[in-house]
Amino acid sequence: QITLKESGPTLVKSTQTLTLTCTFSGFSLSTNGMNVGWFRQPPGKALEWLAFIYWDDIGRYSPSLKNRVSVMKVTSKNEVVLRLTNVTPEDTGTYFCAHRVDDSDGLRDYWGQGTLVTVSS
Amino acid sequence: IVLTQSPGTLSFSPGERASLSCRASQTVSSNYLAWYQQKPGQAPRLLIYRASKRATGIPDRFSGSGSGTDFTLTISRLEPEDFAVYFCQQYVTSITFGQGTRLDIK
Repeated sequence: QITLKESGPTLVKSTQTLTLTCTFSGFSLSTNGMNVGWFRQPPGKALEWLAFIYWDDIGRYSPSLKNRVSVMKVTSKNEVVLRLTNVTPEDTGTYFCAHRVDDSDGLRDYWGQGTLVTVSS
Repeated sequence: IVLTQSPGTLSFSPGERASLSCRASQTVSSNYLAWYQQKPGQAPRLLIYRASKRATGIPDRFSGSGSGTDFTLTISRLEPEDFAVYFCQQYVTSITFGQGTRLDIK
């Protein structure tokens, strides 16, 4: 069974760095093809993709956030860490991590429950 | 690729047929277009991928169609649990979402 769960601060101040952790089970990020992605959703608004990290340590980032976002994996702990620098109130929202599988059985997504982060000015 | 979903809200009665639109600013190659359902306080749920393939466990009242730049999600007979927000997503290069369409009960 694949599960993911986000954790981190619920409140950060403008200009600070937001650090969130995704703890997962049911797969290993050392296995060929595996990945973990980060998404966010401002209250009442659309979803936005932030980043993916892959089993081979390659990270892909949203062009709109590329200069501020980074992800790293801690394979031994089944964790992926998201860092978002220089936050503003516009970064307020629910942050989700997810795992995507696309193979002969089709596309499958597994999502965490999300964690709400508020950025104060 | 920018995805446009319109209108922002649709109102239907249970049992009716609903069609939701998603238009892309450029061709979505290989039909790498997915549809998600999201209810308040929950993570998105994958319904459709590759424009027309139902994800595992999704009822057959949900279907997807389209290619190129125009895509449609159809719910053949609305059940009470179908009233939610629906997002389209392209995953050709990077990932982008539409702004969502809310299905309200009339």
